[in-house]
Amino acid sequence: GDSVTQTEGPVTVSESESLIINCTYSATSIAYPNLFWYVRYPGEGLQLLLKVITAGQKGSSRGFEATYNKETTSFHLQKASVQESDSAVYYCALGHDTNAYKVIFGKGTHLHVLP
Amino acid sequence: AQTIHQWPVAEIKAVGSPLSLGCTIKGKSSPNLYWYWQATGGTLQQLFYSITVGQVESVVQLNLSASRPKDDQFILSTEKLLLSHSGFYLCAWSDNNQAPLFGEGTRLSVL
Repeated sequence: GDSVTQTEGPVTVSESESLIINCTYSATSIAYPNLFWYVRYPGEGLQLLLKVITAGQKGSSRGFEATYNKETTSFHLQKASVQESDSAVYYCALGHDTNAYKVIFGKGTHLHVLP
Repeated sequence: AQTIHQWPVAEIKAVGSPLSLGCTIKGKSSPNLYWYWQATGGTLQQLFYSITVGQVESVVQLNLSASRPKDDQFILSTEKLLLSHSGFYLCAWSDNNQAPLFGEGTRLSVL
């Protein structure tokens, strides 16, 4: 079936350090999946951070980047220098290319950034 | 700009009691609408989706039902709550082939 696996948290890093949260997917029923990263900051709702719908392309937002790699079925989230305000739960998600009605989420990765 | 509003923000209910959660989207006509659920420590699971008024598709069976009585409204309900219904319920909307955008969510505790 279709699934998303991401780094198990919590992940703790110090401010100004680099970050990578791994995400791999399995899309057996989807020819060209759309890939997303969502974020939930403390006390807030779930927000779309970035999305990429074409293999080989990179998405970026708020200093975060993720590249859609079809060969390795990965969509890792990276940031060169994290800030304390990046502390949140990050979710990788897989969407259908033609049937937008089904989106599958990973379990989420809780990120703590120490000041 | 589109806005999505869920109500209530939180509920504490007894096992066996009925439940109704609501979601309204403003500023967008004919959106795709979704209900998601996340148990504590669990994965966000899609429960239902709707592409038009009066039509709802079930994705996961959890002894819940959903209805879309108006273009901008999506309701999640059950006549009898179970302990396993506790968790966080999120409503979302999207345009076709776009990423869903979420409301603030409703936290449900079933005791």
